[in-house]
Amino acid sequence: GESVGLHLPTLSVQEGDNSIINCAYSNSASDYFIWYKQESGKGPQFIIDIRSNMDKRQGQRVTVLLNKTVKHLSLQIAATQPGDSAVYFCARGAGNMLTFGGGTRLMVKP
Amino acid sequence: KAGVTQTPRYLIKTRGQQVTLSCSPISGHRSVSWYQQTPGQGLQFLFEYFSETQRNKGNFPGRFSGRQFSNSRSEMNVSTLELGDSALYLCASAFGGSGANVLTFGAGSRLTVL
Repeated sequence: GESVGLHLPTLSVQEGDNSIINCAYSNSASDYFIWYKQESGKGPQFIIDIRSNMDKRQGQRVTVLLNKTVKHLSLQIAATQPGDSAVYFCARGAGNMLTFGGGTRLMVKP
Repeated sequence: KAGVTQTPRYLIKTRGQQVTLSCSPISGHRSVSWYQQTPGQGLQFLFEYFSETQRNKGNFPGRFSGRQFSNSRSEMNVSTLELGDSALYLCASAFGGSGANVLTFGAGSRLTVL
């Protein structure tokens, strides 16, 4: 069946360093892939998405890379800040239906 | 503009009862989706409504149902509650009904079943 999985449950980084969060997926029949950030007590917040026909997309301090050959997705956060501490989810989208991965908790050390 | 509003934010029920959760989407959004979030299963898709019609449904029993009104507001209902239904129920709205849309989530309704 279709699924989205994450490589690491927890990632700890030093403030100012770059963070890389990885995600694997098992089926490439998808419109797009999305990264969400969820802080405690809040709903998931959209970070960035990438269409399945793209390899890379950049936003403000974030970059998403899509490698369709190995079915791998990554989120890179530049100059990680304490406010980036949260759980990050990758998801694949088909229309408005999202299939989420298990989440990676990013902890930023001051 | 106002975000996605979910009510109630917290509620406690007992096994066998039923519950109704409400979601008001962002103004102008016609798609409303519901997700269940638990520590064990993560975020799972329940169903999506667009223009009052259910378009997609996840792998949940028939005890889980929903509807959407003409003003795009949506409700979901869970009947005959079980302990395993304890979860954060999230609603998300989107403008379009197809392609790659940005889904905006509400803060969720946390249901505890005793």
